Amino acid sequence: EVQLVQSGAEMKKPGESLKISCKGSGYNFPKYWVGWVRQMPGKGLEWLGIIYLGDSDTRYSPSFRGLVTISADKSTSTAYLQWSSLRASDTAMYYCATLGQDYFGSIGYFRNWGQGTLVTVSS
Amino acid sequence: DIVMTQSPDSLAVSLGERATISCKSSQTVLSSSNKKNSLAWYQQKPGQPPNVLIYWASTRESGVPDRFSGSGSGTDFTLTISSLQAEDVAVYYCQQYSSTPYSFGQGTRLEIK
Repeated sequence: EVQLVQSGAEMKKPGESLKISCKGSGYNFPKYWVGWVRQMPGKGLEWLGIIYLGDSDTRYSPSFRGLVTISADKSTSTAYLQWSSLRASDTAMYYCATLGQDYFGSIGYFRNWGQGTLVTVSS
Repeated sequence: DIVMTQSPDSLAVSLGERATISCKSSQTVLSSSNKKNSLAWYQQKPGQPPNVLIYWASTRESGVPDRFSGSGSGTDFTLTISSLQAEDVAVYYCQQYSSTPYSFGQGTRLEIK
């Protein structure tokens, strides 16, 4: 069973940088794709992108490319989401999650979820 | 990008009655290679991360009660709860994983009438 533990809540000012983490454990975790999902207060789910922990192959949503950076450290089974300059509009809950898998490989839905990291950006 | 549209935005159903949520995609999500529809359904309760209910449009995730079922093909899909229980109050999302970005619908809020 794959488990994901995300870093704690963050309170930042506009213009500051931030890197949040998602540490995985369980069977063969480095062979998983891990994704990030944004949920703004009272709103729906938005797909930011995914990364393969094995070789850091990354796919971004065009809506978020250039606004965030997704990275990973295979040696520690950890995925990251980072901002170089936060804006108030980045205030949201951010979830990491692993893609499903079957005998043939990865399936693009999110099977296992982290608990979420609340990012608040305010002056 | 594929746009996912759910209807209705909110729904109130009596306990024990059937609840039906629709999801439409702007392009087909039927794979020509494996003949499967790349469509998942999630349930999100307040203060919790989402939880997958259905994938491949109709395959129930392990541990999901059999009152939840998914159907449809191509661009039109349905999530059905056959007999609504109090614990089913939540927001439900569909998601396509046919092509990146793997987009979500806007969500349907399900309440007890």
